[in-house]
Amino acid sequence: KAGVTQTPRYLIKTRGQQVTLSCSPISGHRSVSWYQQTPGQGLQFLFEYFSETQRNKGNFPGRFSGRQFSNSRSEMNVSTLELGDSALYLCASSLNADPSGNTIYFGEGSWLTVV
Amino acid sequence: GENVEQHPSTLSVQEGDSAVIKCTYSDSASNYFPWYKQELGKGPQLIIDIRSNVGEKKDQRIAVTLNKTAKHFSLHITETQPEDSAVYFCAASTDKLIFGTGTRLQVFP
Repeated sequence: KAGVTQTPRYLIKTRGQQVTLSCSPISGHRSVSWYQQTPGQGLQFLFEYFSETQRNKGNFPGRFSGRQFSNSRSEMNVSTLELGDSALYLCASSLNADPSGNTIYFGEGSWLTVV
Repeated sequence: GENVEQHPSTLSVQEGDSAVIKCTYSDSASNYFPWYKQELGKGPQLIIDIRSNVGEKKDQRIAVTLNKTAKHFSLHITETQPEDSAVYFCAASTDKLIFGTGTRLQVFP
């Protein structure tokens, strides 16, 4: 079956703009989480959605937001982009919300460059 | 909150040798410990995981051990091959995954 699909794969934005990234989880998976990956900070948890509700949130400013739709697809939005937002944004999905009971699968990521 | 430390940050081995990567975690409530392999330009791929009621798990050339008392867990790769070259991440979880900082493994032919 198809894996986690993220679009777009690559994008370049200008400081001050906003960006929306999309994630389609594995069919049947209801939990979607987002991570930011940078060389300096590694993989950092942004937020998790389950059944259209934000279940958990990491330590990122309010410029970072997300949502999940009834078909489990998710989007994340970053407003007022800063140079430091340049990163690989990874989406992951699992059947249910509890990581200890569910394998988490990652997509290939969306590479965001802010200039 | 949970913190995961991972060592070493880089590891170079000769093909056929073993490689060991170690992680420690801070939250004693963590109960799930996956390991991911990330190749250049790709997302992390789960290679093995262990849950807190198990001390060791093996899958062919890969094994993971867990010491809950010491809050340590380790990844062991035996008979390394050049295709094992990648960045490896450990993670610990209570209600969300917290990742270690990664280990760049290079296997030289």
